[in-house]
Amino acid sequence: GAVVSQHPSRVICKSGTSVKIECRSLDFQATTMFWYRQFPKQSLMLMATSNEGSKATYEQGVEKDKFLINHASLTLSTLTVTSAHPEDSSFYICSARGVLRWNSPLHFGNGTRLTVT
Amino acid sequence: KNQVEQSPQSLIILEGKNCTLQCNYTVSPFSNLRWYKQDTGRGPVSLTIMTFSENTKSNGRYTATLDADTKQSSLHITASQLSDSASYICVVSPNDYKLSFGAGTTVTVRA
Repeated sequence: GAVVSQHPSRVICKSGTSVKIECRSLDFQATTMFWYRQFPKQSLMLMATSNEGSKATYEQGVEKDKFLINHASLTLSTLTVTSAHPEDSSFYICSARGVLRWNSPLHFGNGTRLTVT
Repeated sequence: KNQVEQSPQSLIILEGKNCTLQCNYTVSPFSNLRWYKQDTGRGPVSLTIMTFSENTKSNGRYTATLDADTKQSSLHITASQLSDSASYICVVSPNDYKLSFGAGTTVTVRA
């Protein structure tokens, strides 16, 4: 079946550095990709929605300059956490959809555990 | 206030037993409701998806029900296995674009 690959699965970085997370749809064209953040024992919080070839739409309270999203192709979206701080430590998950209709599957990546020291 | 409320927050069951998870929503209009299973440290995996005209849908030992009139859904796990230990997330969509996530129910299956 369709698979979404997210990389890296874990990353530890120092405060002030930037981290890039990749999300790839392996066997389908993802017209829309979503980025989420999840804190322990909490639900997924949508950060932004990106459509291929256009600027991402960010949810309220999510800093665009802090979390840079690029969706340059139908199979790849990237999230860059810029100037990371310890409070950015979290579990980041992407998801992707192909054709946009009510029952189109939403496939999730396996997430990236970011730890900022 | 979250538009998707799940209960209980967590539960512990013995292997082989059944359990039922609840999802109440206020999302309107309603397009579809999905149940996902999320293992610790992994991304969610789809279990079922239902629209308003569907009352029940099964996926192996998982059976989801939907009452669009009362805006309630349940996920029933039959003959639980240790591998069922996970967080189960209810997701409700008002249209093709927006998704409202519940906080999830953490299920722990013990031998």
